[in-house]
Amino acid sequence: GAGVSQTPSNKVTEKGKYVELRCDPISGHTALYWYRQSLGQGPEFLIYFQGTGAADDSGLPNDRFFAVRPEGSVSTLKIQRTERGDSAVYLCASSLSPGTEQYFGPGTRLTVT
Amino acid sequence: QQQVKQSPQSLIVQKGGISIINCAYENTAFDYFPWYQQFPGKGPALLIAIRPDVSEKKEGRFTISFNKSAKQFSLHIMDSQPGDSATYFCAASLSGGYNKLIFGAGTRLAVHP
Repeated sequence: GAGVSQTPSNKVTEKGKYVELRCDPISGHTALYWYRQSLGQGPEFLIYFQGTGAADDSGLPNDRFFAVRPEGSVSTLKIQRTERGDSAVYLCASSLSPGTEQYFGPGTRLTVT
Repeated sequence: QQQVKQSPQSLIVQKGGISIINCAYENTAFDYFPWYQQFPGKGPALLIAIRPDVSEKKEGRFTISFNKSAKQFSLHIMDSQPGDSATYFCAASLSGGYNKLIFGAGTRLAVHP
């Protein structure tokens, strides 16, 4: 079956612009996670959704970052007023239920110029 | 309290040799320790995981050794193959809910033929 998909695969934007990154989890997976991976580093947790609600957003770096999952499936990570320091690979993962194996998507590489 | 420290940063092994990657954690409340494998342009994929009630877990050529008193765990790859060349991440999390993974910085493994 299909895995976690993320679009776009690459996004180049100018400093100050707004971007949206999309995640399509594995069908039937109720838990969804966003991580950010900077070059040469391990992924860092951003936010966790159980169903439609953000159960833990403690990893979001500041209020320029926001994520939604309105129907409990697809999620969108939104970044306002992008900064060069936001450049990274943004990974999405889903799991069948909380605490079970997380399956990662290929990520969206965001470059802020 | 939330850190997971991983070493070495990079590793070169000859085909057929043993690859060993080490991790140490600080938070004694962590009770789930997975290892992920990541190929370039792909998301991390779960390789093997252990909980602290056992000291060792083996799956094929991959073994996790766990030392609870030292707060350390390691991945051993036996009979390393060129196809094992990838970046490996250890991680840790608290169970009892969802798995908010805290990742190490990664080890880039190159297996030479």
